[in-house]
Amino acid sequence: AQTVTQSQPEMSVQEAETVTLSCTYDTSESNYYLFWYKQPPSRQMILVIRQEAYKQQNATENRFSVNFQKAAKSFSLKISDSQLGDTAMYFCASRDTGTASKLTFGTGTRLQVTL
Amino acid sequence: KAGVTQTPRYLIKTRGQQVTLSCSPISGHRSVSWYQQTPGQGLQFLFEYFSETQRNKGNFPGRFSGRQFSNSRSEMNVSTLELGDSALYLCASSLVGRANSPLHFGNGTRLTVT
Repeated sequence: AQTVTQSQPEMSVQEAETVTLSCTYDTSESNYYLFWYKQPPSRQMILVIRQEAYKQQNATENRFSVNFQKAAKSFSLKISDSQLGDTAMYFCASRDTGTASKLTFGTGTRLQVTL
Repeated sequence: KAGVTQTPRYLIKTRGQQVTLSCSPISGHRSVSWYQQTPGQGLQFLFEYFSETQRNKGNFPGRFSGRQFSNSRSEMNVSTLELGDSALYLCASSLVGRANSPLHFGNGTRLTVT
C-alpha cells in the first residue's frame, strides 16, 4: 500500500516570496506518479503539477516546481513569487500504474499568503 | 469545455436515510472515481468506474455503492446513513483511467447527516 506524509499542517508566506511544501511517500511500486493538488475555499481540487517517477528531471509549471528525490522518497513543492490567489490547502498525492484512478493523498498543508 | 459537474452541492439527511449523489464527467472522459473528504480521515478513495464497470474499490462498507451509465455519468449511493458519513464527496473524471491520465475534480457535494 502507498502512504503519503505531509508534515506541515500550516504555512504562511508573504506575497512575492518563495515557499516550499514538504511531502514524503512510501511505495513498493517501481513505476508511479506523484501529484500536487490545490484546494481553494471553492472546494475544487486543482492539479498543480505532476511528476512521473521514471523521469529524473524535476517538473516545472510556471511559478511551481518540484524537488523530486526518488531515493529519499521525497517530493516537495516550491512556489515562487507567491500570490494571494495561492492561498489554499495543498495536497500531495501518489498513484501507481496498477490502480489507475486511485490517488493516495497526504493530510494536506494549509498555505496562507499574506500582504 | 464544461468541467466535472456534481449535484447537488449540499445535502442534509437524517440517520438511517439513503442518499444518491450525481456526477457528470468532462465530455469524452470515460473514467469516473469518487473520494470522501473528512477532517478526521482526510481524502479517501471510494471507487472507480470505467466503461460502466467498477474497476477499483476502496475500503468502505457495502452501504457505499455506485454505478456508471453508458454516457459515463456516475452516481454514488449511501444507504442507512450514519453520522460519520458527513463529508465532502468529490468526483473526478479522466480520459482513459490510466495512471498518467490527469484527474479532473468537481466542486463536490457536501453531505451532512443529522
